[in-house]
Amino acid sequence: QLQLQESGPGLVKPSETLSLTCTVSGGSISSSSYYWGWIRQPPGKGLEWIGSIYYSGSTYYNPSLKSRVTISVDTSKNQFSLKLSSVTAADTAVYYCARAIMIVEPLFDYWGQGTLVTVSS
Amino acid sequence: EIVMTQSPATLSVSPGERATLSCRASQSVSSNLAWYQQKPGQAPRLLIYGASTRATGIPARFSGSGSGTEFTLTISSLQSEDFAVYYCQQYNNWPTFGGGTKVEIK
Repeated sequence: QLQLQESGPGLVKPSETLSLTCTVSGGSISSSSYYWGWIRQPPGKGLEWIGSIYYSGSTYYNPSLKSRVTISVDTSKNQFSLKLSSVTAADTAVYYCARAIMIVEPLFDYWGQGTLVTVSS
Repeated sequence: EIVMTQSPATLSVSPGERATLSCRASQSVSSNLAWYQQKPGQAPRLLIYGASTRATGIPARFSGSGSGTEFTLTISSLQSEDFAVYYCQQYNNWPTFGGGTKVEIK
């Protein structure tokens, strides 16, 4: 059974960089059939796609976040990572990693449990 | 950006009754529409993709319909475990989600 697990600091200071890692188990991140993505959800609010990556390293991002987002992959560790720079309180959210089925664009069939990241001094 | 609008925001339904949730796209997304269920403290779970195809392991009481800009998720007979928030997501362009419909016990 595929499992995804987010890890990283739960508290980040304003203007700093948020860094999270997603570890994939029960399957290979190098599968040619899937992309991998990050989605976030501010407390009590809806879902926002952040970006996605292929095992080859090809990425694409939400245009509204693109200037601040970097997603990378480490196939040797079966992990992919998110960096979001210059964070503000508006970036406080539960961050999910997920496996993405790419049809025209991605939809997400397996999700991690999510990790709450709070931006505060 | 394709804006997804869900209605109603909250739906009060008695167990065993039928629930009908709507999702509208600001422009055509063809059939590139997915539905997710989210329970408190949990990650979303994929229910439907391709507007009408149930994901693996999803009970037959969940059905989806629609194409273009108008979509519907129907739960034919609500079970206690179905009370949750439901989100639609289009994947015809970069992914965007609706604001969600909360299905609560009447």
